[in-house]
Amino acid sequence: SAVISQKPSRDICQRGTSLTIQCQVDSQVTMMFWYRQQPGQSLTLIATANQGSEATYESGFVIDKFPISRPNLTFSTLTVSNMSPEDSSIYLCSVVFRDNQPQHFGDGTRLSIL
Amino acid sequence: AQTVTQSQPEMSVQEAETVTLSCTYDTSESDYYLFWYKQPPSRQMILVIRQEAYKQQNATENRFSVNFQKAAKSFSLKISDSQLGDAAMYFCAYRSAWETSGSRLTFGEGTQLTVNP
Repeated sequence: SAVISQKPSRDICQRGTSLTIQCQVDSQVTMMFWYRQQPGQSLTLIATANQGSEATYESGFVIDKFPISRPNLTFSTLTVSNMSPEDSSIYLCSVVFRDNQPQHFGDGTRLSIL
Repeated sequence: AQTVTQSQPEMSVQEAETVTLSCTYDTSESDYYLFWYKQPPSRQMILVIRQEAYKQQNATENRFSVNFQKAAKSFSLKISDSQLGDAAMYFCAYRSAWETSGSRLTFGEGTQLTVNP
């Protein structure tokens, strides 16, 4: 089965700084997504990462705060900018390998902001 | 907009026993997909089972099966012969079959399952 790698797995950051999370898949995918999971809560979709174009953001999420890149069919990054303690969450990428197939998730990045 | 509701924040089961986790959803669409994911403390989201709304037959994956009641908009997960490794947070999720929805998932709040030895 395909491997979905997320880096870093965890980090502790200072407020006001930015962190970029990487998601790498070992085979081509049709779609890539980024989710946020705040402590003790469910997953909320941040955006759909579109290859070679701007990501599609969900209500409540903006590009200036969560810039996303997807330069090819196997790689995407999510940046959490100007972090505050409220950004402390698990961030997960997910992928779809073929149309109408389920989403599969990376291991997640646990982010803590002091 | 679709919503997914899991009314049981916590459930517990004895090892080797059977447990059922509840999920209801609200949608005006006729074609969609439903999923159960588990998230152990390692935080990885693992797909447990999926159901296509157009299929009347309930999906089964080894010890995991669903009871899909389309008219009632209910999608429960049954875990048979529970094992210690089944302990996790379980999320029910909905996905529209319409291409314009972009395959996005809507998740329920989750049910924390404890398996007692």
